[in-house]
Amino acid sequence: ENVLTQSPGTLSLAPGDRATLSCRASQSVSDNFLAWYQHKPGQAPRLLIYGASGRAAGIPDRFSGSGSGTDFTLTISRLEPEDFAVYFCQQSGGSPPHTFGQGTKLEIK
Amino acid sequence: EVQLVQSGAEVKKPGESLKISCKGSGYTFTNYWIDWVRQMPGKGLEWMGAIYPGDSDIWYSPSFQGQVTISADNSISTAFLQWSSLKASDTARYYCARRGLAAAGDYWGQGTLVTVSS
Repeated sequence: ENVLTQSPGTLSLAPGDRATLSCRASQSVSDNFLAWYQHKPGQAPRLLIYGASGRAAGIPDRFSGSGSGTDFTLTISRLEPEDFAVYFCQQSGGSPPHTFGQGTKLEIK
Repeated sequence: EVQLVQSGAEVKKPGESLKISCKGSGYTFTNYWIDWVRQMPGKGLEWMGAIYPGDSDIWYSPSFQGQVTISADNSISTAFLQWSSLKASDTARYYCARRGLAAAGDYWGQGTLVTVSS
């Protein structure tokens, strides 16, 4: 099983700040099939990034993904109030299970 | 418009059976994998398994193999997740998601809250 470890567990920033979230895999992610989701209470997860760096439809360009192999990053260039949420990474390359990271909570400082 | 609409909240007793559903619309149901994802109270997301309705190929996470059954009925564009004997530890919200580009979940259902309590 490919274990994903996200860091930090909690990130405290202010609106306008830059956020950098990390996702590290225990094995190389096949085809760089690494996705990032935003999850708010009472809502379904929202796809932000697919294939490590592809921005999903309707996602603002302040969200960007990078990385390959085992190390991936989600960057939010300038935080808006609605960006404070929990962020999960998921790998879906190769054989299952298609594991999720444990999440990073982005909170207002 | 692509939509996944899940069945409503359930309250069950330990040992009871349950089948929840996820109806797809706005796209060709048989052309996309459907993933099932669990979120236990206060916890993160866990990938449970998936089905490709086109040929009924089914994958399970080892953590859920033998604990749940995934199926689909293409005539009604609906995927299912079922339990034969629920436990209190099955209390969670369950999401279905369509797997799109790069196998990422591009559309999600609203989630079904399952509560198992005596």
